[in-house]
Amino acid sequence: GQSLEQPSEVTAVEGAIVQINCTYQTSGFYGLSWYQQHDGGAPTFLSYNALDGLEETGRFSSFLSRSDSYGYLLLQELQMKDSASYFCAVRDDKIIFGKGTRLHILP
Amino acid sequence: NAGVTQTPKFQVLKTGQSMTLQCAQDMNHEYMSWYRQDPGMGLRLIHYSVGAGITDQGEVPNGYNVSRSTTEDFPLRLLSAAPSQTSVYFCASSFDSLGKLFFGSGTQLSVL
Repeated sequence: GQSLEQPSEVTAVEGAIVQINCTYQTSGFYGLSWYQQHDGGAPTFLSYNALDGLEETGRFSSFLSRSDSYGYLLLQELQMKDSASYFCAVRDDKIIFGKGTRLHILP
Repeated sequence: NAGVTQTPKFQVLKTGQSMTLQCAQDMNHEYMSWYRQDPGMGLRLIHYSVGAGITDQGEVPNGYNVSRSTTEDFPLRLLSAAPSQTSVYFCASSFDSLGKLFFGSGTQLSVL
């Protein structure tokens, strides 16, 4: 089976940096993805890591360590609009999501 | 391109009724899937398809049927609705195995 663990909530200050961790267990593995979901909206794709290391896309970066079955999403220069839920997801023959991390940003 | 189109956006059913949630994509994606989202439970996979004529069960398939007769369409059928199926349903598709899913706007379903 597959399982993913991520914190249920994280709080950070506007302008700061926050890291959201994700650990996974899966029988097969093609890669780790991250999605953002604002209240009332649909999830939107942020990033994908198939190989170990850091991927950077603007203010967002994502890291993967396949040997540790671990990844994280790093958000820099936090803005109020980043307040949302963030989901990690793993792909083998299907895509399974974690339960999500609610990010609260304080002014 | 419209992307992934889900209908209806809202639906209220009585226990025991059946209905079909429609999902269509115009991106020629091979992979399509249905998720339900409940508070605190994240997105749970109901059924998925890796191509026309091929479907498989996800994490929570009971009470739901799917078919994939064309690349574009992937309807989800509730055979006999139960209050436990009250949820927000998302259809999603992907071109390849890179895990970039495109989501529809969702269907809010209430079963009374």
